[in-house]
Amino acid sequence: QVQLVQSGAELKKPGASVKVACKSSGYTFTKYYIHWVRQAPGQGLEWMGIINPNGGGTAYAQKFQGRINMTSDTSTSTVYVELKSLRSDDTAIYFCAREDQYTAYWGQGSLVTVSS
Amino acid sequence: DVVVTQTPLSLSVTPGQPASISCRSSQSLLHTDGKTYLYWYLQKPGQPPQLLIYEVSNRFSGVPDRFSGSGSGTDFTLKISRVEAEDVGIYYCMQSIKLPEITFGQGTRLEIK
Repeated sequence: QVQLVQSGAELKKPGASVKVACKSSGYTFTKYYIHWVRQAPGQGLEWMGIINPNGGGTAYAQKFQGRINMTSDTSTSTVYVELKSLRSDDTAIYFCAREDQYTAYWGQGSLVTVSS
Repeated sequence: DVVVTQTPLSLSVTPGQPASISCRSSQSLLHTDGKTYLYWYLQKPGQPPQLLIYEVSNRFSGVPDRFSGSGSGTDFTLKISRVEAEDVGIYYCMQSIKLPEITFGQGTRLEIK
């Protein structure tokens, strides 16, 4: 069965960087793009960007341009999102989701807390 | 950018009664391929969103038939024919007409009276 399993919670100081992992299983990793979506505490869902695991092509939301980087590792079927220059308002749960006809498969979420 | 607006933002419903949520987009979600890229999700506390409806009106596998979606163009509706206690959570509509970008409505919180 399709599974997206994400890395654990992170606590970072303002100005630092964080890298969150999303490991895929149960399907051919290179066939489907992966979205990253985040959710600040008590807030809605915000699209951050998308990566093509086959070749690593990316597209990012304008809001994150310049401080976001998405990568993929086909040897481990894992995609990563790295966010730099963290601020307190980057505190959120970060989700990965597979792009397909349904966009039904999501990771469990990774909590990133930014605090001094 | 495609802006998606949901109403109401909160809903309190007696078990067994119907519920309805509206979603309006700033531009048509009808693609040239003939499909309309509007989805409905339910997010329960501490969980990722779970897909209920895809392409306006298609129930995803395992979704109870008390959930239905309708609409076209820019105006869409999610209906729950008889609300149950397990339906509590936040409902989001999502559009993907302008891939790679997807956008979500603000969310509608459903609670049980």
